[in-house]
Amino acid sequence: SQQGEEDPQALSIQEGENATMNCSYKTSINNLQWYRQNSGRGLVHLILIRSNEREKHSGRLRVTLDTSKKSSSLLITASRAADTASYFCATRFPYSGSRLTFGEGTQLTVNP
Amino acid sequence: SQTIHQWPATLVQPVGSPLSLECTVEGTSNPNLYWYRQAAGRGLQLLFYSVGIGQISSEVPQNLSASRPQDRQFILSSKKLLLSDSGFYLCAWRLSSPLHFGNGTRLTVT
Repeated sequence: SQQGEEDPQALSIQEGENATMNCSYKTSINNLQWYRQNSGRGLVHLILIRSNEREKHSGRLRVTLDTSKKSSSLLITASRAADTASYFCATRFPYSGSRLTFGEGTQLTVNP
Repeated sequence: SQTIHQWPATLVQPVGSPLSLECTVEGTSNPNLYWYRQAAGRGLQLLFYSVGIGQISSEVPQNLSASRPQDRQFILSSKKLLLSDSGFYLCAWRLSSPLHFGNGTRLTVT
């Protein structure tokens, strides 16, 4: 399967701590995206990193991409209870046209 | 600004009944449109996508079909629902990256 695989499947931390989620994939990519999903809702795009980029920041989010290891990580710093959600990585492969392939997600719980 | 509408939010249907889920996008033209299904606690499975009116690509053989009768309208249908069709159905659109999702339809087939 080409799809990304996140780990851990579930993560529980205290408010103020940092949360790190990882995503691995199997073939070369054009870009990798991270999305967030609150329970019972649609996904919301967080950040996109292109295959020629190694790191991107957006507010409290930091994404890294290591194409040699075919992996990416999402770091949420100074977590808040409102960060509780599922986080998914999604990859767009060369020659995949309009298709975006999602991983199984990491369920993050931030305890107040 | 662009918005996406997906309805209904929840649906309970008996096995063998037909299905029609509708998705419309406002504020953009000629978007790529997508239908995904999500099983409980799992990732998203791409079902169909469309790059233009009447153009539908199917990702997995299944009991479902999709149509795009207008530029910003995407419909997911079934003639006879199966128990295995239960799930959370998400419509999405994009022009370039990223994807923009609707709030989903929770379908329970009983």
